[in-house]
Amino acid sequence: QQQVKQSPQSLIVQKGGISIINCAYENTAFDYFPWYQQFPGKGPALLIAIRPDVSEKKEGRFTISFNKSAKQFSLHIMDSQPGDSATYFCAASITGANNLFFGTGTRLTVIP
Amino acid sequence: NAGVMQNPRHLVRRRGQEARLRCSPMKGHSHVYWYRQLPEEGLKFMVYLQKENIIDESGMPKERFSAEFPKEGPSILRIQQVVRGDSAAYFCASSPRPAASYEQYFGPGTRLTVT
Repeated sequence: QQQVKQSPQSLIVQKGGISIINCAYENTAFDYFPWYQQFPGKGPALLIAIRPDVSEKKEGRFTISFNKSAKQFSLHIMDSQPGDSATYFCAASITGANNLFFGTGTRLTVIP
Repeated sequence: NAGVMQNPRHLVRRRGQEARLRCSPMKGHSHVYWYRQLPEEGLKFMVYLQKENIIDESGMPKERFSAEFPKEGPSILRIQQVVRGDSAAYFCASSPRPAASYEQYFGPGTRLTVT
């Protein structure tokens, strides 16, 4: 059973556009929601993360929006660049737990 | 400061052989997590180890898979009698604190292909 559902599976965006990736979860015990960026042949790298006490967190061009009542969170990449082309994974976990639950990934392609 | 190191990066095994994957955590990290990534899927937790102890193996298949993290040396994920379904990317992560799901740093992965 997939604990975290992610969409879309793939996304093509023009350079300068906004990329939006969505995730949904069921387990209300989750209290930590990170996003990971993975380039081909590399391991996932933490990009940005949020806890449910805030509705939005911004770091540079990357913003997480969090909707606790809907149990959804999303990643927005503003002014998308070709160098942002990668696979993005949302994840969720519980403080004190050992593991992260990952979404199935979104392959982002930013075309010049 | 070197990151998490995994070797080999690519491993090809025939059905029935053993696969041995190694993970050296970041300096100062004594907590290691193994995840498996099947094609077109997200990472799935397998096992969490501290030095000389398996803390949580709830995601590990009951048969053929084992993991260790000895006092000296890297953590090792061992898959005995591999089958085609074991073909995947295996990632190791490390953290400086216990059960720190928020502070896991991932290695580059080992891509296992079973022929």
